[in-house]
Amino acid sequence: DTGVSQNPRHKITKRGQNVTFRCDPISEHNRLYWYRQTLGQGPEFLTYFQNEAQLEKSRLLSDRFSAERPKGSFSTLEIQRTEQGDSAMYLCASSLLGTYSHNEQFFGPGTRLTVL
Amino acid sequence: GENVEQHPSTLSVQEGDSAVIKCTYSDSASNYFPWYKQELGKGPQLIIDIRSNVGEKKDQRIAVTLNKTAKHFSLHITETQPEDSAVYFCAANQAGTALIFGKGTTLSVSS
Repeated sequence: DTGVSQNPRHKITKRGQNVTFRCDPISEHNRLYWYRQTLGQGPEFLTYFQNEAQLEKSRLLSDRFSAERPKGSFSTLEIQRTEQGDSAMYLCASSLLGTYSHNEQFFGPGTRLTVL
Repeated sequence: GENVEQHPSTLSVQEGDSAVIKCTYSDSASNYFPWYKQELGKGPQLIIDIRSNVGEKKDQRIAVTLNKTAKHFSLHITETQPEDSAVYFCAANQAGTALIFGKGTTLSVSS
């Protein structure tokens, strides 16, 4: 499967714990995006990278959230001191930004986080 | 910033009928308008998109229209089938940047 993959698919944690999610984009894609989706809503942008550079962060991304893409390939999203309000589906998408590309964003299956 | 409104929130049709979902956007700088289909427990799947230099695009039973002056775009599904049942999201951005999504339309196709 050459699509976007995310791990784990589900994570249950207790309030106050730290969690880390991983996203592996489509191999040649240079842009990687993180979104969060709560029940009954559309995905909301969190942050995105071009190669290893983090280009934009949403105001939704509090200080407890940090994202990295150290070698311009996979990315991790860490949430420290989780709160019940962090419970959501965390989605990763990737795209190819280039002269002859169309910049379509392709999404992974998501990581469902439940904070008890 | 960009704001995307989507209507209706739910849509029920009989198999074989057409379905239309409408979206409006606020930022005239937006130039890329994709549509995603999301099934339960899965990530959004890109089904069709349109760029601001095109007024209409069609792919088999699915078509999208764009009116830049009015800042609205629509998804048309013809000859609906039960497998079309899902949540559909419209989105807008300047290509390559973060997508701004509508709140979604739950489409139910009954046989």
